[in-house]
This record gives sequence, structure tokens and C-alpha cells, in this order.
Amino acid sequence: NAGVTQTPKFRVLKTGQSMTLLCAQDMNHEYMYWYRQDPGMGLRLIHYSVGEGTTAKGEVPDGYNVSRLKKQNFLLGLESAAPSQTSVYFCASSPMGGTIDNEQFFGPGTRLTVL
Amino acid sequence: DAKTTQPNSMESNEEEPVHLPCNHSTISGTDYIHWYRQLPSQGPEYVIHGLTSNVNNRMASLAIAEDRKSSTLILHRATLRDAAVYYCILNFSSNTGKLIFGQGTTLQVKP
Repeated sequence: NAGVTQTPKFRVLKTGQSMTLLCAQDMNHEYMYWYRQDPGMGLRLIHYSVGEGTTAKGEVPDGYNVSRLKKQNFLLGLESAAPSQTSVYFCASSPMGGTIDNEQFFGPGTRLTVL
Repeated sequence: DAKTTQPNSMESNEEEPVHLPCNHSTISGTDYIHWYRQLPSQGPEYVIHGLTSNVNNRMASLAIAEDRKSSTLILHRATLRDAAVYYCILNFSSNTGKLIFGQGTTLQVKP
């Protein structure tokens, strides 16, 4: 099992450009999450999905869109990148969202710089 | 959402036990206490979780106060590899599984 993988690992964008971050998991997990982490801070939830075809907003959703067309993939889109979106982005997945089984498995992160 | 309070940083010597405290005075009866850690330049990884009783696994132990307003993560013998940021998170009883991260405790382990 590869677990949770993220593509790309690094990216530099210019203000106004768009891009899509890909998260893939091979554990057949129902729940998937996108977080961002700014320097010296904890992670903040951007969007999440409780199943294929469903998405919901987290703490900091503005400026981002997501799609979950396939169960194993969760895409995070930036339509018009801004310097404030410079951050490390982490994807996570979980077998289910209930408290007992809510161990989240995290990917290695994507470091995004917006100039 | 209930909040947690942790010290910003702690130090430990290698091969000694480490007790990482967490206060959660506004915890509700159905909130689970989760601990994750983040090694440098890596994504967070799950450590342990519990509701009321103390819990043990291969990585650590979780001691939960009787009133549940505080808990302590115990690393029995710290190694250099345990140097990380440790996050104490309350997972409220819902079907979303959302985790709300605070700033965590940065643990330094000295050889």
C-alpha cells in the first residue's frame, strides 16, 4: 500500500495562475480531507469529503474548490492563486468519520509558493 | 468546538519518560481525545486516542483525568526520533471526523 500520496511535491505559481493538487489513497477510505499549514501554525481544514461525489467546507475554504469524482481521489483547485495561499498543503483520509475509527492518515504534503 | 491548551514547548532527555499535558476544560461528554504528532517536514501521524479510560498502544499511553478536563500523553522512553510537534485534539461526536488542530507542543529530545 502506498497509503496517501500527493502530487506535486513542490510548486511555484505566479499570482493569478491556477493549479490543481491531487490526492490519492489506496486504502478504500470513505473520508478525505484537505488541510493547509502556515509556518509555525497548526493545520487548518480547507474542505473535506465524506464520500464519493460529496464535498463540504472546512474552516478556511475561500479561494479553493474541491472535487471527489472517484472514491480514491480528492482534488484541490486554486482558480486564481494569491500570495496568501503560500503554504504547505496536506491531504488525509480516514476509513470513516465516526469517533472510534477516526484515525486520519496523512500524505507527505505539497509545498506551494505563490509569487 | 471545545478547545485544548498545551505548552508551547518541552524538553526531555533521551531514554527518559516524557509527560505531555493537555487541558480541555470545556470538553463535552462525547468528545474523544486524540493525539497526533508531526515530525519535521512530514505530515501528521496518529498517536493514540481515548474517551474516558486510560489507553496504551505501542507508541504511547494516554492518561485521562477523572473529570476529563485534562489528559497526558506519556512516552515511556523518549528517543531522538520522538522529537516532533504533538497535537492534542478533541474530536466531537459527529460523522464528519473533522480535526481541529491547535499549535501543539514542540518536544525537543536531548541525547
